[in-house]
Parts: sequence; structure tokens; C-alpha cells
Amino acid sequence: EPEVTQTPSHQVTQMGQEVILRCVPISNHLYFYWYRQILGQKVEFLVSFYNNEISEKSEIFDDQFSVERPDGSNFTLKIRSTKLEDSAMYFCASRQTGDDAEAFFGQGTRLTVV
Amino acid sequence: AQTVTQSQPEMSVQEAETVTLSCTYDTSESNYYLFWYKQPPSRQMILVIRQEAYKQQNATENRFSVNFQKAAKSFSLKISDSQLGDTAMYFCASPGQNFVFGPGTRLSVLP
Repeated sequence: EPEVTQTPSHQVTQMGQEVILRCVPISNHLYFYWYRQILGQKVEFLVSFYNNEISEKSEIFDDQFSVERPDGSNFTLKIRSTKLEDSAMYFCASRQTGDDAEAFFGQGTRLTVV
Repeated sequence: AQTVTQSQPEMSVQEAETVTLSCTYDTSESNYYLFWYKQPPSRQMILVIRQEAYKQQNATENRFSVNFQKAAKSFSLKISDSQLGDTAMYFCASPGQNFVFGPGTRLSVLP
């Protein structure tokens, strides 16, 4: 069964460092998403990506964040200068198309900023 | 903007009993889909059940069923014959352009 894969599963980084979280969406999916979940809290939408560009982003997705689809298969989230409050689980998701499509989630990357 | 509300932060149920998790939402769409996702301690997000808003019949997946009240914008999840493996966070979600999640209900199934 096709699945969304995320790497790494756990990343520890020093405050101020840049991190790149990687995702491989399901191959025939067209919509891609990043979500963040601070431990024990709600799942927060960060950004959606369609047709090789950002379609919508939340207030959380400020200038320190960026997304790319560098090679047609990977979908990356870059955090330029990490802060302690960026520590969270980051989930990538993809959907085939349309509002009826289930979103398939990766297993998440646990980011710890120290 | 779509909003999703889950009014029960935590619930518990005895094994083999039935529990209902509540969800209300707001949307301006006339045709849409609603989802329940489960997040066990492994943190993976797993689809439990999906409801199409234009269908009057409530969706059912084995022990999981929904009570969908479109006029009231209510979408509750019923888990029958609860099992220990059902212990998890449960998120109600409405798609639209982006997947909007409710704050979640932490369900504990007690032996």
C-alpha cells in the first residue's frame, strides 16, 4: 500500500540552526501539506502546496519557514533559524485531489530544538 | 473559514463498552466531507472513518460509526465494543482547501 514517508524520524538541533524536514508524498497525489503538533496539543496547519507553489499558509508559517519540491518527488520543509518553540512533531500529508480525498499522513518528524 | 470543535478534551470507557465522541463544525460549503482520525501513542495519524455530507446514511466501519446531523453541523463518532487498542487521541477533521482539525479528544479504554 502506498504511503507517505518522512525523514528523519527524530531531529535534534541547536537553537539558531537551520533544519530541513523531508517528505516523500504518494506518487499520484497533487496536494501536499505540512502540519505541526506541539506535544499534547492540537494539530496545526502550516502550509499547503499545489502545482509547485504554495496555495495557502497559516500565520505560523512566517519568513523562517519555506517549502520546496526540489525534484518532483520530495517535499521539504525548511526552518531557517530554529527557536525553542519550534520543537514539535511535524507531519507531512498528501491528497490525491479534491475535497473528498482522504489525506494520507507520514509518520512524522519529531524536532527537538535545544 | 472552516472551524472544527471537539468539546471533550478527555474521555474514558470500560473495555467492551460503547463511547461517543462529539464534534461540531462550521462551513460555508454545501458539499463536503468529514473525517475522524486516530492518533495512537505512536503518533501516526490514521483515518478511522469518512462521511460524505450529501449522503443521509451515516457511515459505518466495523465497530466505528458516525451520527451525522447536517443541519446541526454535528459529526459524532461512536465506538462500539471498545478495545484497549482504541486508546488514542481522536481528531475530527474537515477538509476544504486545507485539512482543519479539531483540538482532539484523548480516549482511554480501561481494562
